[in-house]
Amino acid sequence: AQKVTQAQTEISVVEKEDVTLDCVYETRDTTYYLFWYKQPPSGELVFLIRRNSFDEQNEISGRYSWNFQKSTSSFNFTITASQVVDSAVYFCALRDSNYQLIWGAGTKLIIKP
Amino acid sequence: EAGVTQSPTHLIKTRGQQATLRCSPISGHTSVYWYQQALGLGLQFLLWYDEGEERNRGNFPPRFSGRQFPNYSSELNVNALELEDSALYLCASSSGTEIAKNIQYFGAGTRLSVL
Repeated sequence: AQKVTQAQTEISVVEKEDVTLDCVYETRDTTYYLFWYKQPPSGELVFLIRRNSFDEQNEISGRYSWNFQKSTSSFNFTITASQVVDSAVYFCALRDSNYQLIWGAGTKLIIKP
Repeated sequence: EAGVTQSPTHLIKTRGQQATLRCSPISGHTSVYWYQQALGLGLQFLLWYDEGEERNRGNFPPRFSGRQFPNYSSELNVNALELEDSALYLCASSSGTEIAKNIQYFGAGTRLSVL
């Protein structure tokens, strides 16, 4: 069965600390896509990154970085030097063979000033 | 370029009534997706429309229905409202090409409250 697990329900850190959000997935597909989205208090889901199963290169975008490891079925997200504006709920999702997005439960990230 | 727009922002209904939610996709996008985000239940896939056809449906009762118009905008209808239908309903759109890897872009949602 397809499944995405975000074990961290809520994380609270002080501004400027680094923080890693975990995502573990299960799939039998050999080709699949993984996504991260951010949901600020306004409610709108904001796309952050897409990664396909054949590309295990880590990606860095400014203060954001992603570590994809097929061996452990993980796609973790790290924010370096966190800022208050990073406070949001972050979702990891898996695109299954029916083209549906399977969502994790989300991790609420609180950045304290 | 305008993003995905949803209306209304908030909707208050009573049990048994019908609700209609609307979504306009990003210009050029032919696929529209609907999700329900109820408190404590995460994001649940409702419906997927592409080129006017329903392509897939989540595990929801038939009183959740919708359609996609020729201009690719979409409507979600919820009949015989129940208290547990109270949730944020999110619409997303994507390009119809390369469906396997395309990115869904979301609107701000419609918050439906059933009293």
